[in-house]
Amino acid sequence: DAGVIQSPRHEVTEMGQEVTLRCKPISGHDYLFWYRQTMMRGLELLIYFNNNVPIDDSGMPEDRFSAKMPNASFSTLKIQPSEPRDSAVYFCASSTGGSQPQHFGDGTRLSIL
Amino acid sequence: GEDVEQSPFLSVREGDSSVINCTYTDSSSTYLYWYKQEPGAGLQLLTYIFSNMDMKQDQRLTVLLNKKDKHLSLRIADTQTGDSAIYFCAESRASNNDMRFGAGTRLTVKP
Repeated sequence: DAGVIQSPRHEVTEMGQEVTLRCKPISGHDYLFWYRQTMMRGLELLIYFNNNVPIDDSGMPEDRFSAKMPNASFSTLKIQPSEPRDSAVYFCASSTGGSQPQHFGDGTRLSIL
Repeated sequence: GEDVEQSPFLSVREGDSSVINCTYTDSSSTYLYWYKQEPGAGLQLLTYIFSNMDMKQDQRLTVLLNKKDKHLSLRIADTQTGDSAIYFCAESRASNNDMRFGAGTRLTVKP
C-alpha cells in the first residue's frame, strides 16, 4: 500500500518567495495533519483536517502560513512570503481517526536562504 | 511539549537490551505510541498500546505501561546498529483529535 506521499522532498529558495508543500494522504484516511520539526522546537502540530475541513489551526505560526485540502486525496501548505526562520522539515501525516495512529510521510526539508 | 517527557539520549552496546522511558501527564490518555525516526526519514509507527493494557510484545519490542505512574517504556531486545534512531513517545485521547509527542530519545548503538 502506498503511504503518505509528500513533495517536494527538498526545497531551497530565497526569502520572500512563495513556497508550496504538497501531501497525498493514505486512501481512506479521514484525518490529515501538518507538522513542523526543528532542532530547537521539536515536532509541532501546525494544523489538522477532518474530512477536508480544517479543525484546528492554532499551531499555524502566523498569517504567512496557510493550508488547504480541496479534496480527500490532496493537501497543500503554503508559506508566503517565506523567511529564513521557516527553515525546517515539514511532515504530513494521516489517520483513520483523530486518536488513531498517524502515518507520516518522509517530509519536505525546506531551506530558506 | 511538556505533556510527554523523554530523556534525550541513550547509548547501548550491540546485543544488549535498550530501554527507552517516557512519562506523560494526562490520566485520560487513551492510546500511547512509539515512533522511530531514522536520519532523513519520517516518523515510522513502531507499536502502540491501549491504556487498558499493561504490556504488549512484538518480536524484539516490548512495551510496558504503568498507568498509575503514567510511565511508558519501550524495550528493544538484542539491540542492533540498525536500531540507532530517534524514538518518540506519543499519546492521544479519545476526547481530542490530535496526538502529543515527546521530544524524542536518540538511541546510539555501539558495536
